[in-house]
Amino acid sequence: IAGITQAPTSQILAAGRRMTLRCTQDMRHNAMYWYRQDLGLGLRLIHYSNTAGTTGKGEVPDGYSVSRANTDDFPLTLASAVPSQTSVYFCASSELAGASYEQFFGPGTRLTVL
Amino acid sequence: RKEVEQDPGPFNVPEGATVAFNCTYSNSASQSFFWYRQDCRKEPKLLMSVYSSGNEDGRFTAQLNRASQYISLLIRDSKLSDSATYLCVVNEFSGGYNKLIFGAGTRLAVHP
Repeated sequence: IAGITQAPTSQILAAGRRMTLRCTQDMRHNAMYWYRQDLGLGLRLIHYSNTAGTTGKGEVPDGYSVSRANTDDFPLTLASAVPSQTSVYFCASSELAGASYEQFFGPGTRLTVL
Repeated sequence: RKEVEQDPGPFNVPEGATVAFNCTYSNSASQSFFWYRQDCRKEPKLLMSVYSSGNEDGRFTAQLNRASQYISLLIRDSKLSDSATYLCVVNEFSGGYNKLIFGAGTRLAVHP
């Protein structure tokens, strides 16, 4: 592994189903983030984690949950998917929390909720 | 009003042209500014940070005007490989954490 990986690459999901998007980084970065990107809008922060064991809500957290059991993994769970959660999801990490640090992004997960 | 606004484009320019993008931000307390590049169906990647005094990286020059709250990116001698979407990014401290606010992006298409 080099950098950040996400899985799955894409997924079609029925509304009401539970789904976990996986994110793993091997850079030993302290901070990790989940964003969604929708057409015509900038990336919007869903949840973040400044360090292992801590998480926080971003701009659009409703309908999503995260956990940070260790440094490398930061899964995002949709408890009961709805069509408005159709989006491209990007996981990112930075060496430390704080806006001056470069964020490195994973390749993204394209999710379609029908 | 959006927190970070960009002209969505597309900017269609020939190879070798000089092209400039502007971006405005609403939070006067913002301290960190960046340009990210995003290729079609790929993840964003940092192009360059933007410093108060302006900075240059090869063919790319970034400028910051705090008084008017705008940021610019100038690309000289455009290459076909510069075709991408350029995201203006600004930090904001709110809700107890420091976050990055992304503009929706400006699309650049460089043609032969």
